[in-house]
Amino acid sequence: SYVLTQPPSVSVAPGQTARITCGGNNIGSKSVHWYQQKPGQAPVLVVYDDSDRPSGIPERFSGSNSGNTATLTISRVEAGDEADYYCQVWDSSSDHPIGVFGGGTKLTVL
Amino acid sequence: QVTLKESGPALVKPTQTLTLTCTFSGFSLSTSGMRVSWIRQPPGKALEWLARIDWDDDKFYSTSLKTRLTISKDTSKNQVVLTMTNMDPVDTATYYCARTGIAVAGFDYWGQGTLVTVSS
Repeated sequence: SYVLTQPPSVSVAPGQTARITCGGNNIGSKSVHWYQQKPGQAPVLVVYDDSDRPSGIPERFSGSNSGNTATLTISRVEAGDEADYYCQVWDSSSDHPIGVFGGGTKLTVL
Repeated sequence: QVTLKESGPALVKPTQTLTLTCTFSGFSLSTSGMRVSWIRQPPGKALEWLARIDWDDDKFYSTSLKTRLTISKDTSKNQVVLTMTNMDPVDTATYYCARTGIAVAGFDYWGQGTLVTVSS
């Protein structure tokens, strides 16, 4: 089965740039989606198809995907960005789509 | 305005069957390209995708749980139902339903989630 690997935690000072990685075998050939989840709340889609933003998501959130690593970049980090972030792909290697999530990364704003 | 809401028992006993209903509005699951998935999250742990049903009634399941899961839809009621058999305490989790829209392959709308505890 397809595995997505995220660092358990990332810390960044306010105003700096946070980068959260998502590793997977040839993940660059897949579309990666990113979710933000704050405590006690449902996840929110912040980036889809590697680098697109849903309406209402600040431009500070961006994504990239190449080779074996996808990256969510949060520029000018704010205290309100502190949350868990998950990457997700659809794996169709077994002839039908299977949803796969990474283990999640806790973003701490120092 | 798209909304989804999960409903079902808060407590089930080991070996019982769990039935969850996702009631949605603001879109139709008969529209080409629409999909609804179930996703769960044990307390303090990561998200886990469980199952998906598509507008054309195609159904897909988690490899590890497929023998225990059944997903179905009632388009006239705007509902998607998930059943999970032989519940175990490790299945204690918040269960979410989420939409995959036509233009967005990720989960663009989520329900609030419903916590299911498995305990005798």
